[in-house]
Amino acid sequence: GAGVSQSPSNKVTEKGKDVELRCDPISGHTALYWYRQSLGQGLEFLIYFQGNSAPDKSGLPSDRFSAERTGGSVSTLTIQRTQQEDSAVYLCASSLNRGPMFFGPGTRLTVL
Amino acid sequence: SQQGEEDPQALSIQEGENATMNCSYKTSINNLQWYRQNSGRGLVHLILIRSNEREKHSGRLRVTLDTSKKSSSLLITASRAADTASYFCATDGAAGNKLTFGGGTRVLVKP
Repeated sequence: GAGVSQSPSNKVTEKGKDVELRCDPISGHTALYWYRQSLGQGLEFLIYFQGNSAPDKSGLPSDRFSAERTGGSVSTLTIQRTQQEDSAVYLCASSLNRGPMFFGPGTRLTVL
Repeated sequence: SQQGEEDPQALSIQEGENATMNCSYKTSINNLQWYRQNSGRGLVHLILIRSNEREKHSGRLRVTLDTSKKSSSLLITASRAADTASYFCATDGAAGNKLTFGGGTRVLVKP
């Protein structure tokens, strides 16, 4: 595709519900990243996929968070039993090996 | 913890002036990248400098890297109102794995 796409662009959910966020990376990009960003803050690393290697999950804040990348392409970030502190913009990016990262527009998650 | 830290946190300048911001990091790197973010959404890649490079230019942007001091600077020359954004540095580790970002510098260019 032309760029990294993410869906939904906005998600409002109730505390305790599960949510799934989707990322479609640029075709052929081997690396895929998930970050989250709270208002006015920097980017917090969540998880990193590189090719067929085991993902680096060191940034996931709790076991309520999980992510998978199917077929080396599309990725889904799942947050179970959402909490209000999960509210943030979730950003996905992809890159070819160690090159520049291309970011999607993000999903703004609001947990009521 | 964040690998890169930007300084200053915020910067306000007049159009036409130069803007300089700095990034310090903690561990060895393969490369350092600078990104711009408008309106709190997706980031746009500006420039990548490798650990064996000392200076790089792209249009009105100039990036320096001092690996002995573990620091980098981003200079925007002849700033424009459209340069108003947050600027982030990102570094990988020596193993070239995940990129970690600093807290960013918010730049306001007043017309």
